[in-house]
Amino acid sequence: AQTVTQSQPEMSVQEAETVTLSCTYDTSESNYYLFWYKQPPSRQMILVIRQEAYKQQNATENRFSVNFQKAAKSFSLKISDSQLGDTAMYFCAFMKHGFQGAQKLVFGQGTRLTINP
Amino acid sequence: DSGVTQTPKHLITATGQRVTLRCSPRSGDLSVYWYQQSLDQGLQFLIQYYNGEERAKGNILERFSAQQFPDLHSELNLSSLELGDSALYFCASSVGIGGTQPQHFGDGTRLSIL
Repeated sequence: AQTVTQSQPEMSVQEAETVTLSCTYDTSESNYYLFWYKQPPSRQMILVIRQEAYKQQNATENRFSVNFQKAAKSFSLKISDSQLGDTAMYFCAFMKHGFQGAQKLVFGQGTRLTINP
Repeated sequence: DSGVTQTPKHLITATGQRVTLRCSPRSGDLSVYWYQQSLDQGLQFLIQYYNGEERAKGNILERFSAQQFPDLHSELNLSSLELGDSALYFCASSVGIGGTQPQHFGDGTRLSIL
């Protein structure tokens, strides 16, 4: 079974700073996907960024980028020029590739990020 | 707006009762997933449907059941409710299976058991 671990329950930074959220995972699969989802106080689950394990290039979406280290099973999220609207709970998630079994997301416990003015 | 619609947004009921949560996937999405988010268990996968058929089950209690209808909307039925069933229930949808397209989430249904 796959597991996802987020070792930072809470983080707090000043607006405009850069912050990195950590995530490690455990799997025996060779092909899979990794995600970061954001859950603001409104409770929505918003997809932030997605990484395909077979791609060596790290994914980037505007101010959000990841550092994907496949051998180390590490998948961190970097938020540059942080904004007040980035305040949210961030979840790291894993999903195996393939057409057998469930294409379920396995989530970490989340990191609560607060951006201070 | 993710395009996934969940109703109702809030539901308050008592122990022993039965409720139905409804989900309409994004246009064109054939897969529907249900997740439960609780304080003690975190976010957990419950069940997946693809094009009307059950595809996989996760940590879903026997008191819970779901189905996906021909128009692709899905319902999650929770019966004999207990205090511990209080949680945020999310529906997500994706185009197909295999993980090539991400799952998009609805806004959730907050279920409170009194």
